[in-house]
Amino acid sequence: KNEVEQSPQNLTAQEGEFITINCSYSVGISALHWLQQHPGGGIVSLFMLSSGKKKHGRLIATINIQEKHSSLHITASHPRDSAVYICAVESDSNYQLIWGAGTKLIIKP
Amino acid sequence: GAGVSQSPRYKVAKRGQDVALRCDPISGHVSLFWYQQALGQGPEFLTYFQNEAQLDKSGLPSDRFFAERPEGSVSTLKIQRTQQEDSAVYLCASSLDGLAGASSYNEQFFGPGTRLTVL
Repeated sequence: KNEVEQSPQNLTAQEGEFITINCSYSVGISALHWLQQHPGGGIVSLFMLSSGKKKHGRLIATINIQEKHSSLHITASHPRDSAVYICAVESDSNYQLIWGAGTKLIIKP
Repeated sequence: GAGVSQSPRYKVAKRGQDVALRCDPISGHVSLFWYQQALGQGPEFLTYFQNEAQLDKSGLPSDRFFAERPEGSVSTLKIQRTQQEDSAVYLCASSLDGLAGASSYNEQFFGPGTRLTVL
């Protein structure tokens, strides 16, 4: 079983829809990252959080430490949000990131 | 520059050739990470530097892979005698420090990656 599981693997939605991507993990962590990867490979860090909730523009990330679960929400989705969204956790025993497999999001106009 | 840069962005090599991939981290960032991302998969950790010291190279897949950061800033990932299975995107990331713990100081900032294709 992977230490970081994301769902869904693929998600196609219409412009304007509310999007939720889920991440569950099985290891002790010091922080959780949500990252965005566009075709071509470049990765952008969206959020780093260890508790509660963070908001940046139309993006919201939440984490429940007790349940070992995090969600990334996108409100009023737009075709430019189409990308792969990756959840990665920092093990509480070292600095390495443990990566989820990613969720491929396509937003249709 | 303001972010992490990598060069070249794309590299095509013939099997058996040596390649060198460069990473320029954000100025002042202590920690530098290299990741390998095969097509359709998540990134895999390769190696980690704190300043010029390579503290962890456990992810390097073979002795054909070598990384250095001699002055604690720019890093080079070298792959000798490239094989087709080396084809991947190589990502570099830097952070202000790399100590475990929920601190903005250890948020990793990623470069755009170098896409290596070995024919």
